[in-house]
Amino acid sequence: QVQLQESGPGLVKPSETLSLTCAVSGASIRSYHLSWIRQPPGEGLEWIGYIYYSGSTNYNPSLKSRVTISIDTSKNQFSLKLSSVTAADTAVYYCARGGSDYDTPFDYWGQGALVTVSS
Amino acid sequence: DIVMTQSPDSLAVSLGERATINCKSSRSVLYYSNNKNYLAWYQQKPGQPPKLLISWASSRESGVPDRFSGSGSGTDFTLTISSLQAEDVAVYYCQQYYTPPFAFGPGTRVDV
Repeated sequence: QVQLQESGPGLVKPSETLSLTCAVSGASIRSYHLSWIRQPPGEGLEWIGYIYYSGSTNYNPSLKSRVTISIDTSKNQFSLKLSSVTAADTAVYYCARGGSDYDTPFDYWGQGALVTVSS
Repeated sequence: DIVMTQSPDSLAVSLGERATINCKSSRSVLYYSNNKNYLAWYQQKPGQPPKLLISWASSRESGVPDRFSGSGSGTDFTLTISSLQAEDVAVYYCQQYYTPPFAFGPGTRVDV
């Protein structure tokens, strides 16, 4: 059974860097596109970007200047860094698995990690 | 970028009745070479992550009740719940995965 689990600080100060990790169990992350998606409280879903096990990435242009997604295949996990955060970055952050092709839906999701940006 | 819209924003349906949600993309998500629509539907219940219900516009995921069905092509799509059950109360999102940046619709809340 494939499971994804986000972890990281739940509180980040404005202007600092948000860092989250997604640990994947039940399947190798090789051969899948792995995404981060966020949802501000009471709002809709925003795709942040994906990484392929080869290391290739694709980011949402709206966040591209501040986002870095990396992967550690030895630990079967991938990570998100979002720099220079503001209150607008307060959201539940989900990691999700796509398919072997980049243009596939998200079939497995983590439970989500609430990150609040506040001093 | 492809922009997704949904209608209505919310709807209330009696138990056992039909619920219909519409989704529109700002440009076609039909890939002509394979005749596939790169459109998914997700269900999100409070405090839970979204759950993939339908991919390729009309293909139900394993374990999804057959009262859920998807239809449409190109830019216009529909999710139908043929006989609403209490456990179907949720927010439903459409999503295009035709090209990055992948985009979700704003969601439709379904209540009893």
